[in-house]
Amino acid sequence: EPEVTQTPSHQVTQMGQEVILRCVPISNHLYFYWYRQILGQKVEFLVSFYNNEISEKSEIFDDQFSVERPDGSNFTLKIRSTKLEDSAMYFCASTTGGPYEQYFGPGTRLTVT
Amino acid sequence: AQSVAQPEDQVNVAEGNPLTVKCTYSVSGNPYLFWYVQYPNRGLQFLLKYITGDNLVKGSYGFEAEFNKSQTSFHLKKPSALVSDSALYFCAVRGGNSGNTPLVFGKGTRLSVIA
Repeated sequence: EPEVTQTPSHQVTQMGQEVILRCVPISNHLYFYWYRQILGQKVEFLVSFYNNEISEKSEIFDDQFSVERPDGSNFTLKIRSTKLEDSAMYFCASTTGGPYEQYFGPGTRLTVT
Repeated sequence: AQSVAQPEDQVNVAEGNPLTVKCTYSVSGNPYLFWYVQYPNRGLQFLLKYITGDNLVKGSYGFEAEFNKSQTSFHLKKPSALVSDSALYFCAVRGGNSGNTPLVFGKGTRLSVIA
């Protein structure tokens, strides 16, 4: 069964450093998302991406964040200058659209020290 | 604005007993409703969804959920709980009339099934 994959599974970085989180969505899916889950809290939406552009973003997704689909396969989330409060589990999701469910990757745990 | 409420942080049930995990929602237009399960150190796994049609929907691992429009609820149920059902359960909603809007999640309910 096809699945969403994410790398790395765990990333430790120092405050102020740039990080890139990578995702490979399911191949025939058209809509891509990033969510995050701070430890012990609910899953929060960051950004959605369709047709090579951002379709919606939340208040969390400020100028420090960017997304890209560089090669038609990978879908990346970049944080330019990490802060302590960026420490969270980041989930990538994809869907074919319409009434269909979103499929989530296993997540990347980002720890900012 | 869309929102989801899961009123219970924790639900404890004995193995073999029926379980219910509660969810209520608020959304503009027709709702698309989902349940996901999260095992420790794992991603979110899709369990079931309500889009339209029969109010009782069946999903993976013997789970089912009942859509109640008048009460704006979508409670997750299982007739006979297993120890392996112990996990964190999330209810999520998005408006069905608004394209592929993102999911809005509840805060999650931790289910503990005791042998």
